[in-house]
Amino acid sequence: EVQLVESGGGLVQPGGSLKLSCAASGFTFSGFAMHWVRQASGKGLEWIGRIRSKANNYATAYGASVRGRFTISRDDSKNTAYLQMESLKTEDTAVYYCSRPTDFGDFPLGDWGQGILVIVSS
Amino acid sequence: DIQMTQSPSSLSASVGDRVTITCRASQSISTFLNWFQQKPGKAPKLLIYPASTLQSGVPSRFSGSGSGTDFALTISSLHPEDFATYYCQQSYTTPPTFGQGTKVEIK
Repeated sequence: EVQLVESGGGLVQPGGSLKLSCAASGFTFSGFAMHWVRQASGKGLEWIGRIRSKANNYATAYGASVRGRFTISRDDSKNTAYLQMESLKTEDTAVYYCSRPTDFGDFPLGDWGQGILVIVSS
Repeated sequence: DIQMTQSPSSLSASVGDRVTITCRASQSISTFLNWFQQKPGKAPKLLIYPASTLQSGVPSRFSGSGSGTDFALTISSLHPEDFATYYCQQSYTTPPTFGQGTKVEIK
């Protein structure tokens, strides 16, 4: 059974940093791209970015609202993906989900974690 | 970025009703269109990709259609567990973008 478990969320001040983790199990983690998607309270879904597999050079891509502030990485030896968030803004407050495609491409996103709440507030 | 527009934003329906949600892309996306269901406090669940293939385990009352810029998600007969918010998402270009969501509520 595929499992994705996010951790590392919490309260952070504006301008601060936070690193989220996504621990994966139940599949060959190293072969899959991993994505991050967020959702502000009562709002829709926003794609943050993705990191591809080693076979695809660990290529990353980001949405415009986080590009230059957020960095996605992965440690295949730990079956874990990461989202490093810098220069956080109040508008980054959201539930953050990690997600895995159903196959070896980038999409569709077939498996999701339970989500982790990040609150950016003073 | 490609804009995805869903209609309606919300609807009220009864158990047993046939429901159709539409999704329009701001430019052609071929059939690179995915549908998700989300219930309160839960992660999104993939229903259909690309455009018309039912994800494993999804009931056959769900169906998807369309290509180019216009797409539809149809629930042939609403079940109580189908009351949720539905999102379309294009995966034709980066960044992938979602529609604003359609909330299906009980009448």
